[in-house]
Parts: sequence; structure tokens; C-alpha cells
Amino acid sequence: DAGVIQSPRHEVTEMGQEVTLRCKPISGHNSLFWYRQTMMRGLELLIYFNNNVPIDDSGMPEDRFSAKMPNASFSTLKIQPSEPRDSAVYFCASSLPGPMQDTQYFGPGTRLTVL
Amino acid sequence: AQTVTQSQPEMSVQEAETVTLSCTYDTSESDYYLFWYKQPPSRQMILVIRQEAYKQQNATENRFSVNFQKAAKSFSLKISDSQLGDAAMYFCAYRSARGDMRFGAGTRLTVKP
Repeated sequence: DAGVIQSPRHEVTEMGQEVTLRCKPISGHNSLFWYRQTMMRGLELLIYFNNNVPIDDSGMPEDRFSAKMPNASFSTLKIQPSEPRDSAVYFCASSLPGPMQDTQYFGPGTRLTVL
Repeated sequence: AQTVTQSQPEMSVQEAETVTLSCTYDTSESDYYLFWYKQPPSRQMILVIRQEAYKQQNATENRFSVNFQKAAKSFSLKISDSQLGDAAMYFCAYRSARGDMRFGAGTRLTVKP
């Protein structure tokens, strides 16, 4: 298996622009998580989905952030409009259903820089 | 809300020696999971070891083992026979039965040859 796939790996954009980050979970995994990592705040859970349904989005910073999971093999995290303080590494992770649901497999991350 | 605390921002160990990384957490739940993840310079998050809270036996994965003290809410990671490739950031993580996950601030481990 290719593991969790994220694209792009690096994104540089200007303040005010829309940014879309993409994630393809491991086939067969039914839970998907979006995280943000910064030096100041560490690793933060933004939102997670079970069976394509958002379960907890309390970690989403504000209305500028939105996430969707239209099907079991694809999710997006969108920031509109982007701001310099959104600069961070964004990770997507997925996990299996059942007893192994607790173990998350992380993608390589997307490094976002907002100028 | 659950919190995870790693009190050691940095640790170093001599190659082939043993090192222990500390982690404590705060929760009112009885059913949860604990993890140690490794993040090398590539930034990829790699699962090192997991522990179910209902299991009293400490988890072990090759050179990695944990000391899980549920009453004390402590979950330390022991790395035996340290190797240069073990150098990385190590994150302790807590996952509730509901599914949300919390990470500690991380410990940067340096391995000296």
C-alpha cells in the first residue's frame, strides 16, 4: 500500500488567496484526521471524519477553514482567505475500523507558507 | 479536556545505551489509548508503540517498551540499545474512546556516536 497520500507537499501562496490541501487515506481505512503542526502550538487536531461524516470539528480555528470528505478515498482542507498565521505543516492521517481504529497512519504532510 | 505533558524538551543518549522519555496525561476517562510517535527530520509521523488503557501489561516492540502507570497517569518510553537512526522528535499521544487525539509538545532525542 502507498500509505496516506497528501498533495501538494509544499504550497506557497499570498495572503488572501484560497488554499486547498488534499488527502487520500489508506484504502480500507474509515477514519480520517486533519492536523496542523507549528512551533508555537505543536500538533493540533483540526477535524476528523468517521465513514465520511465529520465527527468533531472543534479544533478548526475559524470559519476560514473548512474540510470535506465526499467519499471514502478523498478529503480536502480548504482555507479561504488564507493569512500568514496559517503557515504550518498540515498532516492528514487515517485509521482502520474496529479494534485497530486507535492506530493512526500519517501522511508526509503539506508545508504551507502564506506570505 | 485531556492534556498530554512531556516535561523533557530535549534528551540525549550515547549510542547503544538506554534512554527513557517521560509522558504524563490528564483524563477522567477509563477507556483510552496511548501512543508514542517518532518524527524524523523528514517530518513523517511514525508510530512507535501503542498501549490500550485496559491492558495492565506494558507494550513492547523490539527495542522500544513502555512503562504504563494508569493510576499515576504516566506513560514513559524506554529505548534500549539506542541507534543513530533513533534520533528524532518523539511525541506522546492520547486518544479517547470517542476518537479525538491529543499530542504532547514533543521531546527531541539526540543520539551521540
